[in-house]
Amino acid sequence: DAGVIQSPRHEVTEMGQEVTLRCKPISGHNSLFWYRQTMMRGLELLIYFNNNVPIDDSGMPEDRFSAKMPNASFSTLKIQPSEPRDSAVYFCASRTPGTDTQYFGPGTRLTVL
Amino acid sequence: GQNIDQPTEMTATEGAIVQINCTYQTSGFNGLFWYQQHAGEAPTFLSYNVLDGLEEKGRFSSFLSRSKGYSYLLLKELQMKDSASYLCAAFRRGKLQFGAGTQVVVTP
Repeated sequence: DAGVIQSPRHEVTEMGQEVTLRCKPISGHNSLFWYRQTMMRGLELLIYFNNNVPIDDSGMPEDRFSAKMPNASFSTLKIQPSEPRDSAVYFCASRTPGTDTQYFGPGTRLTVL
Repeated sequence: GQNIDQPTEMTATEGAIVQINCTYQTSGFNGLFWYQQHAGEAPTFLSYNVLDGLEEKGRFSSFLSRSKGYSYLLLKELQMKDSASYLCAAFRRGKLQFGAGTQVVVTP
């Protein structure tokens, strides 16, 4: 079975540019999570969705960040405009209904110059 | 991670046993996860404890004491491939709150 799929795997962009990260959760999973991982702050939850509805976005750093989940098989995390301090690995994770365990995608390594 | 404490690094030799401790604040707590993360890779699920006690899964075991806000991950018969970061995460209100991770270095 396919796991969580993320694209791109690596992204290098310049400050001020828009960045869009994509995630396809595991089929049948109804919860989706976006995380950011840095050396300084560790693994932090940005936002999560249940049944395509955003439940908690308290971890989203600021208005430059936005996330959508238009259907059960696709989500995006957008940063506009990007800044060097946004450089991190962004992980997407999903969870099956009625369970607590999250399964992580391979991550997108974002570098903002 | 906020309110999740675990050691930064531990070193052990191949074949040995290592115990990674984790303490957390108990408010709103539902369960305790352990994930393994190799350098440059995604976290992978190891264990989930909801009730007090020890759960064994092959070479890895995880323990939880809810009243003490304490958990540990026990790695037995260490292998070189066990060199990785081990993340403790508290499950609260539908979300995971991660510790900073413990880097385990296995030496020959």
